[in-house]
Amino acid sequence: GESVGLHLPTLSVQEGDNSIINCAYSNSASDYFIWYKQESGKGPQFIIDIRSNMDKRQGQRVTVLLNKTVKHLSLQIAATQPGDSAVYFCAETPIPGSARQLTFGSGTQLTVLP
Amino acid sequence: DTGVSQDPRHKITKRGQNVTFRCDPISEHNRLYWYRQTLGQGPEFLTYFQNEAQLEKSRLLSDRFSAERPKGSFSTLEIQRTEQGDSAMYLCASSTGLAPPQGGGQYFGPGTRLLVL
Repeated sequence: GESVGLHLPTLSVQEGDNSIINCAYSNSASDYFIWYKQESGKGPQFIIDIRSNMDKRQGQRVTVLLNKTVKHLSLQIAATQPGDSAVYFCAETPIPGSARQLTFGSGTQLTVLP
Repeated sequence: DTGVSQDPRHKITKRGQNVTFRCDPISEHNRLYWYRQTLGQGPEFLTYFQNEAQLEKSRLLSDRFSAERPKGSFSTLEIQRTEQGDSAMYLCASSTGLAPPQGGGQYFGPGTRLLVL
């Protein structure tokens, strides 16, 4: 069936370096994507979203890139900080606005090393 | 705090008992979602409300599960005759229902962690 998956389950980066977290999706109808950050014992925290009519969107220290040709998106975190350590999920939904559900990948554990 | 809130945060129950969880969405959000998350996995969709109407239910939502949103504000999720396999984090999210960039994103609460003994 359709699914959203992540290339790497874990990622370790040095504090101050940039992080790149990747995600592949298979649903060709996917039109809207969200990256979430989840710290231990907490609910997912909205980071940044992107619609399929865009290929790049920037936020504060984060950038999401979308490549519809290969059905791949990535989350780039600049100058990674210890507080960025968490599990990161990509999620997709076919139709924004009328979306009823998100399909999540299994997550990437980001560890920031001192 | 204007975020999504959930109560209780933790629940331990014995197999066969009924449990009920509550979710209070962000006040201006008319859409409310329930998800379930097991350890090491991403959240899985359970059900969705637009105002008081329950518009979609996942196959994961067995007949032991029931959700309500009677006045289009807070919602409850009840699990009857709990089983050990129901142990999970139950997450609630809300959204405006508007298309991006005005809306689109679902904002999650802290979750209710259920342990069925």
